[in-house]
Amino acid sequence: DAGVIQSPRHEVTEMGQEVTLRCKPISGHNSLFWYRQTMMRGLELLIYFNNNVPIDDSGMPEDRFSAKMPNASFSTLKIQPSEPRDSAVYFCASSKQTGGKTPLHFGNGTRLTVT
Amino acid sequence: SQQGEEDPQALSIQEGENATMNCSYKTSINNLQWYRQNSGRGLVHLILIRSNEREKHSGRLRVTLDTSKKSSSLLITASRAADTASYFCAYDYTGANSKLTFGKGITLSVRP
Repeated sequence: DAGVIQSPRHEVTEMGQEVTLRCKPISGHNSLFWYRQTMMRGLELLIYFNNNVPIDDSGMPEDRFSAKMPNASFSTLKIQPSEPRDSAVYFCASSKQTGGKTPLHFGNGTRLTVT
Repeated sequence: SQQGEEDPQALSIQEGENATMNCSYKTSINNLQWYRQNSGRGLVHLILIRSNEREKHSGRLRVTLDTSKKSSSLLITASRAADTASYFCAYDYTGANSKLTFGKGITLSVRP
């Protein structure tokens, strides 16, 4: 079991640039979640998918953020254009089911710095 | 916000002592989970307790749930320096469209 794999681990970009974060969930997991973690706001759920379909994107801050899951083994989170306030650690997590019925398995995150 | 509270925010203890961390939430839940996060890493699941359960054990971990008080506690017995980490509770509110809400975390430091 390779775990949830995220790339890149670190991303430094200038304001206005496009940023794409990638995630490979654990094989066999049906649900995928994108979280953002900051000191001020803690861990925030941005969007989650079930069977590759977006179920709830109410946590996506604004239209600059978009997420896709083209197949069961890959998801992206895109920020375009990026702003300094987007600086945070972005986590992808997967689970066998949605909600709190089964544990979430987290990747090691992407630390995004927008200057 | 539906986010509850955790206390203490930070805890420093000596190796071998027990650590107790508390979590409160706002409305009825289906399940509650506890996670650990080491610096620079993702969260790791520790234990899940369902709303109809009152206590669960896993190794040196003991979790209790009191739905009447809307609170849970995590006890780590005989702590080790390797237990130094941040600990989070997470809960899915009844009718919350299957979303997990995380607390802000408790920082535990275990001194060798």
